Amino acid sequence: GAGVSQSPSNKVTEKGKDVELRCDPISGHTALYWYRQSLGQGLEFLIYFQGNSAPDKSGLPSDRFSAERTGGSVSTLTIQRTQQEDSAVYLCASSLVFSVGLAGGPFNEQFFGPGTRLTVL
Amino acid sequence: KQEVTQIPAALSVPEGENLVLNCSFTDSAIYNLQWFRQDPGKGLTSLLLIQSSQREQTSGRLNASLDKSSGRSTLYIAASQPGDSATYLCAVYGQNFVFGPGTRLSVLP
Repeated sequence: GAGVSQSPSNKVTEKGKDVELRCDPISGHTALYWYRQSLGQGLEFLIYFQGNSAPDKSGLPSDRFSAERTGGSVSTLTIQRTQQEDSAVYLCASSLVFSVGLAGGPFNEQFFGPGTRLTVL
Repeated sequence: KQEVTQIPAALSVPEGENLVLNCSFTDSAIYNLQWFRQDPGKGLTSLLLIQSSQREQTSGRLNASLDKSSGRSTLYIAASQPGDSATYLCAVYGQNFVFGPGTRLSVLP
């Protein structure tokens, strides 16, 4: 089946402009995650959606960043008034989430998309 | 706050060698740990996921172990091949996912 897809694959924008990045998760996956990977840096968690629950926004770096997930499927990450430090690869992942019992906790193997490389000039 | 480290940062080995990559985490209250590989300019590929109640998982030439109490996981790669060259990342899941910085592996033909 199809994996996680992201669009666009590359985005170049001018400082101060708004951008929207799109993620299509694997069909049936209830959880969706956004990460940012800056050059030479590790992955930075941004936001997590799980089913109909309120999203975990604890990783968003500023109020210029927001994300939506419509109909429990497609997600859009929006960055307003982009800054040069926003330049990075933005990665999306999805997973099924189910309990494996009291001792095991949730099972949520993540599958990643190819990412969107954002360059802010 | 959970912190994840990986040692070594980079590793270069000749083809055919067995090797071990290390992942350490500071908070042992995790549900699972996942190993990924990342090829240059691409997303992450899931390799293995170990639940907190498990001690190891195996897939082909890969074996991952987890010692939750000591905050350590190892990824063992047997009979390495040039196609194994990539950056290997571990991630722990507790309150959310926290990734390590990765080990960059080069397997020389």
